[in-house]
Amino acid sequence: DIQMTQSPSSLSASVGDRVTITCRASQSISSYLNWYQQKPGKAPKLLIYAASSLQSGVPSRFSGSGSGTDFTLTISSLQPEDFATYYCQQSYSTLIFTFGPGTKVDIK
Amino acid sequence: EVQLVQSGAEVKKPGESLKISCKGSGYSFTSYWIGWVRQMPGKGLEWMGIIYPGDSDTRYSPSFQGQVTISADKSISTAYLQWSSLKASDTAMYYCARPGIAAAVIDYWGQGTLVTVSS
Repeated sequence: DIQMTQSPSSLSASVGDRVTITCRASQSISSYLNWYQQKPGKAPKLLIYAASSLQSGVPSRFSGSGSGTDFTLTISSLQPEDFATYYCQQSYSTLIFTFGPGTKVDIK
Repeated sequence: EVQLVQSGAEVKKPGESLKISCKGSGYSFTSYWIGWVRQMPGKGLEWMGIIYPGDSDTRYSPSFQGQVTISADKSISTAYLQWSSLKASDTAMYYCARPGIAAAVIDYWGQGTLVTVSS
């Protein structure tokens, strides 16, 4: 089974900060990596798919990069509405969508 | 507009059975896989399994195989997640989730169903 890890598990940041979250797969997953944002009490929301493609309607301050085993989600200038938990997810394994443990972004 | 509408919150006792639902609309229900995700209180997202309503092909995550049953009734565009004997550890929010046509990314989610199991 493919295992996903994320770092850090949490971070504190200020509005306007550049934030970077890392996701690592236990084996190569090519670019089959997606990023989701989840706010308390809400369903997750797709931000980035195929490692670097921005989902329609998602602000351009969000970007993704990486391939193989190492991936990054970057928020170029953190906004108040971005305080949330972020999950990576692999879709390399057919029909098994393993999630990372999540990174909680809160206000410094 | 694609929508996944889940059944309401449930409070059950250990040992009871339960079936929760997810009704799809705004797309061809039989042409897309639909899956289930568990989120225990204060914890992360766990992939449980997935079904193709067109032919009921079902795949389970190893952690959930034998613990739950996923099914679908294509005549009413509804997917189900059921338990035969609930445990306190089944207390969680459960989301249904629909991957896109290539089944590589989840682009639609239900609103979640909170299941509480307590004596």
